[in-house]
Amino acid sequence: DIQMTQSPSSVSAYVGDTVTITCRASQGISRWVAWYQQKPGEAPKLLVYTASTLQSDVPSRFSGSGSGTDFTLTISSLQSEDFATYYCQQTSSFPLTFGGGTKVELK
Amino acid sequence: QPHLQESGPGLVKPSETLSLTCTVSGGSISNSGYYWGWIRQPPGKGLEWIGSSDYTGSTYYSPSLKGRVTISVDTSKNQFSLRLSSVTAADTAVYYCARPRLGFFDWVTWGPGTLVTVSS
Repeated sequence: DIQMTQSPSSVSAYVGDTVTITCRASQGISRWVAWYQQKPGEAPKLLVYTASTLQSDVPSRFSGSGSGTDFTLTISSLQSEDFATYYCQQTSSFPLTFGGGTKVELK
Repeated sequence: QPHLQESGPGLVKPSETLSLTCTVSGGSISNSGYYWGWIRQPPGKGLEWIGSSDYTGSTYYSPSLKGRVTISVDTSKNQFSLRLSSVTAADTAVYYCARPRLGFFDWVTWGPGTLVTVSS
């Protein structure tokens, strides 16, 4: 199985800050990574797929990058609605696996 | 975009079988290229992929569930189902059904999720 190690597990930030979340795969997965946002009591929402492609209707302050084993999700100019938990997922091979999540909290 | 809705018992006894159904509206489950999926999330924890099936019954399952899981598709009802046998308290979770992007395995459409508690 491909392990997805996500860091940090939590981060505190102010509105307007830039936040970067990283995900490391236990083996090379090209660009087969997706990123999700989840708010309490809601289903996850797809933000980014194939490492850097923004899903439709996702604000441009979200961006993804990386390839191989190291990936990042960056949220620029953090807005109040961005405080949530974020997950990465590898879509390279079965079993599909997720990172442990990063909670973005208001400082 | 289709709408997905999970349904099934919210309480299951240990050692019994958990059964959930996902009803798809606003789109056909028979469209080729989609592997419909089940994903779960224990309370306060992260996401775990359970398995996926296309409309022909071609399936992929998580090996961590050790043969306890079956996913089936009913094209006549536009539904797909999850059965998880021999449940324990560790199977207590919110269960989501989801549809991926066409031909891929990232999840673009999700049901709202349903909490299943395993308890006697």
